[in-house]
Amino acid sequence: QKEVEQNSGPLSVPEGAIASLNCTYSDRVSQSFFWYRQYSGKSPELIMSIYSNGDKEDGRFTAQLNKASQYVSLLIRDSQPSDSATYLCAVNTPQGGSEKLVFGKGTKLTVNP
Amino acid sequence: DAGVIQSPRHEVTEMGQEVTLRCKLISGHNSLFWYRQTMMRGLELLIYFNNNVPIDDSGMPEDRFSAKMPNASFSTLKIQPSEPRDSAVYFCASSPRRGASDTQYFGPGTRLTVL
Repeated sequence: QKEVEQNSGPLSVPEGAIASLNCTYSDRVSQSFFWYRQYSGKSPELIMSIYSNGDKEDGRFTAQLNKASQYVSLLIRDSQPSDSATYLCAVNTPQGGSEKLVFGKGTKLTVNP
Repeated sequence: DAGVIQSPRHEVTEMGQEVTLRCKLISGHNSLFWYRQTMMRGLELLIYFNNNVPIDDSGMPEDRFSAKMPNASFSTLKIQPSEPRDSAVYFCASSPRRGASDTQYFGPGTRLTVL
């Protein structure tokens, strides 16, 4: 069973701080990695995708990928209360001729004003 | 442009009843995914269609679950008979291309409660 592991949290940071969210995955052949944000009672929405080793920045968000360590992270700079949500790590995993997204259980982030 | 549409948004039913969940894809998208989300198990893929053809149904829990895609824009997920352990939020998502390497756009979900 291919697995994606996240610290369930909750992670609590003060407004303006950097929030760091981590994810590890078990399948070495995985090639695509995603971070989804899910507000309470809402559906997941994509905020970042990353395909190559290194960093990818988009506004206040930075995704980091290290395939050798099978590790992907999301940094949120200048955290805002509106960033309070559950963050889901998703890994594209080839399985039996097709491919599927395997999601971690999510890390709940709270940004305190 | 309308996003993924799901109905009903909430469903409360009694054990043993048939439940049908519905999903309309974003126009022009080719792939459809049905997910189930619970606190214990997180977000799990149930089945994935590409161009109306089921590609991977390995996540369908058992024979009580079935999914169809009668045309390019519409899908149903049926549970018959329903059981209390089926209580969850069911999401439908669509994607522009084949496979899971592209962005998936999620519908608002159907919250199912089986008493």
